[in-house]
Amino acid sequence: DAKTTQPPSMDCAEGRAANLPCNHSTISGNEYVYWYRQIHSQGPQYIIHGLKNNETNEMASLIITEDRKSSTLILPHATLRDTAVYYCIGELTDKLIFGTGTRLQVFP
Amino acid sequence: EPEVTQTPSHQVTQMGQEVILRCVPISNHLYFYWYRQILGQKVEFLVSFYNNEISEKSEIFDDQFSVERPDGSNFTLKIRSTKLEDSAMYFCASRGDSLGGVNEQYFGPGTRLTVT
Repeated sequence: DAKTTQPPSMDCAEGRAANLPCNHSTISGNEYVYWYRQIHSQGPQYIIHGLKNNETNEMASLIITEDRKSSTLILPHATLRDTAVYYCIGELTDKLIFGTGTRLQVFP
Repeated sequence: EPEVTQTPSHQVTQMGQEVILRCVPISNHLYFYWYRQILGQKVEFLVSFYNNEISEKSEIFDDQFSVERPDGSNFTLKIRSTKLEDSAMYFCASRGDSLGGVNEQYFGPGTRLTVT
């Protein structure tokens, strides 16, 4: 089973920041936190990952709490195309273990 | 931008038939994976493959399943005798040999397998 918990769904207005939380209180100190998303029935898409420090790339920002028990994925200016299921994954193994994720609905 | 491709996009087969799902991973990637997603359910890991052998497989990946990298570009998943419950979307993924073993996997668009 996944080591992370996420809210099942969230809404966000287009153009606003979407902040998606994830609890991962049981991950160990050397396990990365990964975020992927799945748009409709397409293949999952890598977004970002982090270990201890906050990270930013062209898609999103990742804020990890100092105790590493939780993190927040931030999409700074959500668009309709960001409507998807977002998965937070915290595993040390090579395989990705997907939970049920957060279904983000971006509305006009 | 390089991408993982999969063929066919949709495969319909009768129960008991063999199917081969094909994937072309990103060309310089070394690690290869198959996942499946039954309609409305989670994405599930099936198998990982590295250096021409299986690295890890899940309980789903029983004797009816096999994987192969027959040449330098293709990566295939074979189901020997399909069952109704094999109906799902099958995703191939690959990743490069990244520093620190960061698990940044790139997924293909999937093959929808329908067993009738």
